[in-house]
Amino acid sequence: EDKVVQSPLSLVVHEGDTVTLNCSYEVTNFRSLLWYKQEKKAPTFLFMLTSSGIEKKSGRLSSILDKKELSSILNITATQTGDSAIYLCALIYNQGGKLIFGQGTELSVKP
Amino acid sequence: DAGVIQSPRHEVTEMGQEVTLRCKPISGHDYLFWYRQTMMRGLELLIYFNNNVPIDDSGMPEDRFSAKMPNASFSTLKIQPSEPRDSAVYFCASSWGSFEAFFGQGTRLTVV
Repeated sequence: EDKVVQSPLSLVVHEGDTVTLNCSYEVTNFRSLLWYKQEKKAPTFLFMLTSSGIEKKSGRLSSILDKKELSSILNITATQTGDSAIYLCALIYNQGGKLIFGQGTELSVKP
Repeated sequence: DAGVIQSPRHEVTEMGQEVTLRCKPISGHDYLFWYRQTMMRGLELLIYFNNNVPIDDSGMPEDRFSAKMPNASFSTLKIQPSEPRDSAVYFCASSWGSFEAFFGQGTRLTVV
């Protein structure tokens, strides 16, 4: 069965820390890997990664896909309390456009 | 565009009642997804449509669940009869051409 597994499931850090969230997958034929941030309501899109080894960056957040290792990481530097959220990893299949999610990493940033 | 619109935002119903959740995708999007989110199971894909046609409904938990997309601007997810274990947040999302999906604000369903 295809799987998307995120680790850790939860993480507590202090403001200013750097965090690395992991996403590994067992999906044979996918088009892209996506990262979402979910605060109190709906997930909001962060990144889409299609090619291996190319870093995407947005402010303090960055992400990279490693197709050899079947994984992706999301880095957040100089964390702020506003980064507290659930971070979700998802895959879009090549055939049919199916979109499946991992269980998420709950990040809590303490002041 | 107003984004993906879901209704109602909250629904409380008694066990055994029929529940209908509604979704209006972003105009021009050709994919529509229904997800259920719980603490235990995370975000589960229930069913998705491409150009109004159901492509994969393998995530629909039981025959009590059904979904329709009569046109490009409207979809429903129906639970009949509802049970307490159906309590969750139900999200609808839409996308264009297998790019990133945009989510509605969700419907929080409580079945008592």
